[in-house]
Amino acid sequence: GAVVSQHPSWVICKSGTSVKIECRSLDFQATTMFWYRQFPKQSLMLMATSNEGSKATYEQGVEKDKFLINHASLTLSTLTVTSAHPEDSSFYICSARRDIRNEQYFGPGTRLTVT
Amino acid sequence: QQQVKQSPQSLIVQKGGIPIINCAYENTAFDYFPWYQQFPGKGPALLIAIRPDVSEKKEGRFTISFNKSAKQFSLHIMDSQPGDSATYFCAASKSYTGNQFYFGTGTSLTVIP
Repeated sequence: GAVVSQHPSWVICKSGTSVKIECRSLDFQATTMFWYRQFPKQSLMLMATSNEGSKATYEQGVEKDKFLINHASLTLSTLTVTSAHPEDSSFYICSARRDIRNEQYFGPGTRLTVT
Repeated sequence: QQQVKQSPQSLIVQKGGIPIINCAYENTAFDYFPWYQQFPGKGPALLIAIRPDVSEKKEGRFTISFNKSAKQFSLHIMDSQPGDSATYFCAASKSYTGNQFYFGTGTSLTVIP
């Protein structure tokens, strides 16, 4: 149990276009989901906390207009990178919090490359 | 400010050895301490977690030792195998508040056959 999926697993897009990444909790409901960014050989950097039915909470320095987050249901959160630029190229990972036990389960990640 | 400090940054052990990874925290309100294992190109996977009401938790070859007074916890991997080669992250959070997890900086473990 406690499986989180992410789609797509990798994506290449041109500069200026937008990319949507989906995060789904497959076998549990998640009121809260998190979006992280990870650079090579570095730790996870929290970008935003996504709560079902309400606006996401962004960490300091993260542009909310650039990284749009929608948590439309208890099993789905999406991250849209708008007007992507090469510096947005990174590994994006979502996680879903299983409320009862405060456990956090991660998706497999999405490798974004902006050319 | 780094809420959770992790060391060492990298670790190399022989097969069968017992690598130990250490983490320290400052916020005494933290009450949930998980460890994650991450392979290259994959998301972190929950390995084992502990709450401060116990001093040790063991699951298979993985053991967490917890020292509440010192505000430290560590991961021990018994009889390490080459397949354990990965990056390990510790984390800390406050339960039941929906608060974020604070991650350590990660330890890259290499187990030599």
